[in-house]
Amino acid sequence: GAGVSQSPRYKVAKRGQDVALRCDPISGHVSLFWYQQALGQGPEFLTYFQNEAQLDKSGLPSDRFFAERPEGSVSTLKIQRTQQEDSAVYLCASSESGISTDTQYFGPGTRLTVL
Amino acid sequence: DQQVKQNSPSLSVQEGRISILNCDYTNSMFDYFLWYKKYPAEGPTFLISISSIKDKNEDGRFTVFLNKSAKHLSLHIVPSQPGDSAVYFCAALTVYNQGGKLIFGQGTELSVKP
Repeated sequence: GAGVSQSPRYKVAKRGQDVALRCDPISGHVSLFWYQQALGQGPEFLTYFQNEAQLDKSGLPSDRFFAERPEGSVSTLKIQRTQQEDSAVYLCASSESGISTDTQYFGPGTRLTVL
Repeated sequence: DQQVKQNSPSLSVQEGRISILNCDYTNSMFDYFLWYKKYPAEGPTFLISISSIKDKNEDGRFTVFLNKSAKHLSLHIVPSQPGDSAVYFCAALTVYNQGGKLIFGQGTELSVKP
């Protein structure tokens, strides 16, 4: 594909439900990032993968958040037992290599609303 | 403890004039800085970057200035165009950190009026 795609674009969940958000990075990109953007704020780092290895998960806010990238391409961010404070836009980004200054290309995001 | 701060939530500029967006940071370990632009319902798009070994980087109508002693950077857009209306995010990273975890400011919404 031409860019990073994310699905679904919008997700409404009842409090306590589990959700799974998908990210398809640019083909061949080694690095993949997840960010959380609350309303009126800038994106906040959640986790980073280099190929299938999760090298940094320091930004995950609780053990209810889990991310995986089993084959080094598509990634899934799972949130268990969703809470209202999880409502945000979840952005995925990919970059070509593992070099820190590589441009990160962002997807359009998944807007999660927890009722 | 906001490490990257954009203190102006919004800015309005006349078409053809200069837009100046400001950003301050507190972490002296940051050594690479970026500006991203975001339209509604889209993801952020990379605009321009600067390494801490430079104090200026220019790309067409966009110039980023870095003042390390003041821990301050700014983005200048000259001349401003209505299509520049968007939210602009300043971001920073530490080069030696694996991968390139970006720390973002809160954003400044730029409105360029015809």
